[in-house]
Amino acid sequence: SQTIHQWPATLVQPVGSPLSLECTVEGTSNPNLYWYRQAAGRGLQLLFYSVGIGQISSEVPQNLSASRPQDRQFILSSKKLLLSDSGFYLCAWSRVSGTDTQYFGPGTRLTVL
Amino acid sequence: GQNIDQPTEMTATEGAIVQINCTYQTSGFNGLFWYQQHAGEAPTFLSYNVLDGLEEKGRFSSFLSRSKGYSYLLLKELQMKDSASYLCVTRGAGSYQLTFGKGTKLSVIP
Repeated sequence: SQTIHQWPATLVQPVGSPLSLECTVEGTSNPNLYWYRQAAGRGLQLLFYSVGIGQISSEVPQNLSASRPQDRQFILSSKKLLLSDSGFYLCAWSRVSGTDTQYFGPGTRLTVL
Repeated sequence: GQNIDQPTEMTATEGAIVQINCTYQTSGFNGLFWYQQHAGEAPTFLSYNVLDGLEEKGRFSSFLSRSKGYSYLLLKELQMKDSASYLCVTRGAGSYQLTFGKGTKLSVIP
């Protein structure tokens, strides 16, 4: 069976500090991978998606970036965090074919102070 | 683009039946998902509809009418653990393009 991991689970960072969130998937090969952010009272917002190693598409212009150094590893980064970057960050995966249902990791709650 | 409307909050009694409605407007439609999200946790997949009609899965059923841009999630024999937010999610023409509603917060009371 497939599992998806994210870490850290929670993070408190000062404004202007860097960020690195990691997501890994087990039990499947060549998944599509996604980064979402959920702000309080708002729907999930797609930030990045990837269909393969080194292939990243950005949905929203921002000070965040993503990388996919390995098939089942997806990283979300920032050089300088803003207060508005606070939120619940979710990684998800899907198969390329079929219904493409997206399955979410446990999430990282980021607070920028 | 896509726009999704669903009630913000609902309350129902343990053991009862509740129907959560969702309407959507979309320039391209390729399926509708329902996810459950408990407070502070990640969304978990409940159901998927791409054709008109009812999909039943245990205590949960989901209905879709593409001509009306309408879906509902039906929860039977409510349990306290069903207290959560329920997200209506549409998929656009590209398989990765999911649009999430803001969710309906369901409170199940004794």
